[in-house]
Amino acid sequence: GAGVSQSPSNKVTEKGKDVELRCDPISGHTALYWYRQSLGQGLEFLIYFQGNSAPDKSGLPSDRFSAERTGGSVSTLTIQRTQQEDSAVYLCASSPRSQGLSPYEQYFGPGTRLTVT
Amino acid sequence: AQSVTQLGSHVSVSEGALVLLRCNYSSSVPPYLFWYVQYPNQGLQLLLKYTSAATLVKGINGFEAEFKKSETSFHLTKPSAHMSDAAEYFCAVSEFNTGGFKTIFGAGTRLFVKA
Repeated sequence: GAGVSQSPSNKVTEKGKDVELRCDPISGHTALYWYRQSLGQGLEFLIYFQGNSAPDKSGLPSDRFSAERTGGSVSTLTIQRTQQEDSAVYLCASSPRSQGLSPYEQYFGPGTRLTVT
Repeated sequence: AQSVTQLGSHVSVSEGALVLLRCNYSSSVPPYLFWYVQYPNQGLQLLLKYTSAATLVKGINGFEAEFKKSETSFHLTKPSAHMSDAAEYFCAVSEFNTGGFKTIFGAGTRLFVKA
């Protein structure tokens, strides 16, 4: 079946512009995660959606970042007034509902490479 | 809150030598632990996971990891490195949170394999 898809694959934008990054999780997966991977850095957690629960936004670096998930499926990460330090690869991952208390692995998309000039 | 520390941002080994990538975690509840690998220009994929069954977990490509509660560690090993193992490796810990599992990743360790 289809994996996690993200669009666009590359985005170049000017400083101060808003950008929207899209993630299509694997069908039926209830959990969706956004991460940021900067050059030479590890994975930085941004936000986590689980079913209909309120999202965990504890990783969002500033109020310029927001995300929503419509209908429990597609998610959009929005960065307002982009800054050069926002340049990174933005990764989305999804995971099925866990059985009992054992988590499933995350399935990652290919990422969106954002460059702010 | 959970956290993960990977010791060494870069590790270099010779082909055929032992690979040891270190991971220590912090978790307020029994943890679920993962190792993911990211090959050059590819996405992340799961190597192995620990979910409270056997403490020694075997993964793909000859990798294994041992959960040691007393040391809060989950180090990744492979007896004999291959050139194709050159990649970035991420340790991750999951905790049950708001009806699901929140996962935190370590900063990653880049493995170099010398001929």
